Amino acid sequence: AQSVAQPEDQVNVAEGNPLTVKCTYSVSGNPYLFWYVQYPNRGLQFLLKYITGDNLVKGSYGFEAEFNKSQTSFHLKKPSALVSDSALYFCAVRPGNQGGKLIFGQGTELSVKP
Amino acid sequence: GAVVSQHPSWVICKSGTSVKIECRSLDFQATTMFWYRQFPKQSLMLMATSNEGSKATYEQGVEKDKFLINHASLTLSTLTVTSAHPEDSSFYICSARGGTSGRPLKADTQYFGPGTRLTVL
Repeated sequence: AQSVAQPEDQVNVAEGNPLTVKCTYSVSGNPYLFWYVQYPNRGLQFLLKYITGDNLVKGSYGFEAEFNKSQTSFHLKKPSALVSDSALYFCAVRPGNQGGKLIFGQGTELSVKP
Repeated sequence: GAVVSQHPSWVICKSGTSVKIECRSLDFQATTMFWYRQFPKQSLMLMATSNEGSKATYEQGVEKDKFLINHASLTLSTLTVTSAHPEDSSFYICSARGGTSGRPLKADTQYFGPGTRLTVL
């Protein structure tokens, strides 16, 4: 079965420290991988995606993610966290030949403390 | 660019009534729109995929007669929750996938609306 896993329900980071939000996936073929962020009572905002090319993808608000095919991972990272980064983060994968559907991870709540 | 709106942002209705939620792509044409449901502190559950001019494709376990989807144009899809009950209370989110709109867009990316909070009393 195709799936996406975000092993941490919550990640706590001090402001200014680097942050990592983990994501692993299990899909057939070459997946498209995405990260979205959701603020309370809002829709999802696109952060970045990986389709092909350089394994390190840079996205919005200083976030980046590294695609690791051997480990089937796509961890989200930021060198220096801000309090305003506190939100719910979703990793998603788009398997091939499924009409563009996304499979979402369960989400990770990021809390950045001053 | 790539803005998706939803209307209404919240709605409260009585049990047994029907509620229509609109999803619009404001600055691009979307051949495909998706409808999701999200429970508090949980992930998004895909309900259906909506293609302009054709019938929606529903995910397993989603009642197509209860959740009516109409994708009448390249910029508008509607979800109607018919005969709503309290268990239908949820946060409904739509997304639109960038299609051909005369300018380069992230065609493989879904852009999400702000969501609609439905409360059925």
